[in-house]
Amino acid sequence: KAGVTQTPRYLIKTRGQQVTLSCSPISGHRSVSWYQQTPGQGLQFLFEYFSETQRNKGNFPGRFSGRQFSNSRSEMNVSTLELGDSALYLCASSSSTFLTRGKGGEQFFGPGTRLTVL
Amino acid sequence: DQQVKQNSPSLSVQEGRISILNCDYTNSMFDYFLWYKKYPAEGPTFLISISSIKDKNEDGRFTVFLNKSAKHLSLHIVPSQPGDSAVYFCAASKTGANSKLTFGKGITLSVRP
Repeated sequence: KAGVTQTPRYLIKTRGQQVTLSCSPISGHRSVSWYQQTPGQGLQFLFEYFSETQRNKGNFPGRFSGRQFSNSRSEMNVSTLELGDSALYLCASSSSTFLTRGKGGEQFFGPGTRLTVL
Repeated sequence: DQQVKQNSPSLSVQEGRISILNCDYTNSMFDYFLWYKKYPAEGPTFLISISSIKDKNEDGRFTVFLNKSAKHLSLHIVPSQPGDSAVYFCAASKTGANSKLTFGKGITLSVRP
């Protein structure tokens, strides 16, 4: 079974631009979560989508948004990029959502997209 | 507000010895804890977990201990192997709505041959 794939793997943007990242979950998985990893903050939860609905959201500004399509693929968008948005963005898929399984395990992560904002 | 803390950024141990990775949490509502391992250029991979109704969970060379009164958990790796060299993240969640995963900042483990 193919793992979680993320595209692109590397991206360089300038301040003020916007960016869209893509994540394809493991086949059959309906939950997709996004995380931001930075050296100073570790992994921070952005949001979770399940069956095309946002089910959970972290403490990030509205510049960060996402969506999920009917085939469970998900996209994350960041508008008006800032230097501090430079990070590794990780996507994780699961066969169930936090609400139904009651715990946060069994997530499978993709390799991430390394975003650099200049 | 860092609810999950991994206060030591790095740990170096000799091959064959025990590695002990520590993690503290502040939110008493957390009831499920996990450890993830991450190699460079790869996403984190799930390692082991423990529910708050237990105080120990073992899986091969990996054992996680939970001390609820101290809000502390630890991951023991015995014996340590060079392939264990990676960044280890502690994570926690609570049952119910909005039970997202909260991660620590990670600890870099180096196992010397």
